[in-house]
Amino acid sequence: QKEVEQNSGPLSVPEGAIASLNCTYSDRGSQSFFWYRQYSGKSPELIMSIYSNGDKEDGRFTAQLNKASQYVSLLIRDSQPSDSATYLCAVSHAGNMLTFGGGTRLMVKP
Amino acid sequence: EAGVVQSPRYKIIEKKQPVAFWCNPISGHNTLYWYLQNLGQGPELLIRYENEEAVDDSQLPKDRFSAERLKGVDSTLKIQPAELGDSAVYLCASSFSGRGELFFGEGSRLTVL
Repeated sequence: QKEVEQNSGPLSVPEGAIASLNCTYSDRGSQSFFWYRQYSGKSPELIMSIYSNGDKEDGRFTAQLNKASQYVSLLIRDSQPSDSATYLCAVSHAGNMLTFGGGTRLMVKP
Repeated sequence: EAGVVQSPRYKIIEKKQPVAFWCNPISGHNTLYWYLQNLGQGPELLIRYENEEAVDDSQLPKDRFSAERLKGVDSTLKIQPAELGDSAVYLCASSFSGRGELFFGEGSRLTVL
């Protein structure tokens, strides 16, 4: 079974700090990697996608991928209380199968 | 542009009763997904459609769950009979590329008493 692992948290950071969220996956054949944000009581929304090794930056968000280590991370710079949510890592396998991790709950304290 | 539409938003039923959920994906999105999400957990795939063909339904409990996607657009997910353990949020999502860039509906929250 394809697995995607995340620390459930909560991860608590002060406002303005960098939040670092991590994810590991089991299938070496995985091709595409995504981060979704889910506010309490709401549905997931896509915030980042990354397809090749290295870093991808979008505003305050940076996704990092290391396929050799089977590791994906999301950095949130200048964290804001509005960033408080659950962050879901998702991995796409062969045949466009998408598997989600259990999510990490982030709390940004003012 | 309208997003993914799901109904009903909330449903409370007694065990052994049937229930159905409906989903209308974003126009032009050929891939449609049904996920189940329990509290505090990530979404779990139930079934994935490419147009009207179910291409991944290995996690769908076929003894009680069924799904269809007529004409490759709207989809219905049915549970009959419902069990207490089916209480969860049922999420519908659609994608144009099928690569993992999903757009989710607001979900249908099922409570089985």
